Amino acid sequence: QVQLVQSGAEVKKPGASVKVSCQVSGHTLSELSIHWVRQAPGKGLEWMGGFDPQDGETIYAEKFQGRVTMTEDTSTDTAYMEMSSLRSEDTAVYYCARGWGFGELGTYYYYGMDVWGQGTTVTVSS
Amino acid sequence: DIQLTQSPSFLSASVGDRVTIACRASQGMSSYLAWYQQKPGKAPKLLIYAASTLQSGVPSRFSGSGSGTEFTLTISSLQPEDFATYYCQQVNSYPLTFGPGTKVDIK
Repeated sequence: QVQLVQSGAEVKKPGASVKVSCQVSGHTLSELSIHWVRQAPGKGLEWMGGFDPQDGETIYAEKFQGRVTMTEDTSTDTAYMEMSSLRSEDTAVYYCARGWGFGELGTYYYYGMDVWGQGTTVTVSS
Repeated sequence: DIQLTQSPSFLSASVGDRVTIACRASQGMSSYLAWYQQKPGKAPKLLIYAASTLQSGVPSRFSGSGSGTEFTLTISSLQPEDFATYYCQQVNSYPLTFGPGTKVDIK
């Protein structure tokens, strides 16, 4: 079965960038829809974006457009989330998760996110 | 964007209690709703998808219902391991928003 293993905790200064990885096993990355969700300390879950199987493109929440880049390396089955211009409000646990659903290019319906990475803590502090 | 609200935001209950959590959407979305359980320091776990379908391996005391804009998650008899925070998520359209969460605590 699919497993997602994320990279370790990061401590960054304001204005820096961070790149979090999500290693896929038990399946090939090219057949999955990987999404990123973050959770600030004591707060709820926030969807950041992910691979849209409907059109084969990455879609971002408006809040993260221009500051977050999600990429995939299919040769190593690893997904990445890079965030730039970090600020203290970006301190959070970042999760990758599989978007599970059915359909194909043009039409895709999600069931939910059924497999999650263990989370990566990113701390932004001067 | 579809906004989700949950009620209550916090509830205190005893083992064996029947618990119901509501999730309301700002616009109709058929049955494209999922429920998750999250325990401290852990990743969320998918409990229910398509509003009412139990994910494999999830105990049958969990159930979901609703469609359109009104949804509920019910735990028929609360067990010690069910004390956690529960989130709904709409998967009807982007952005795939989450509700603010309901924390279920021990009375």
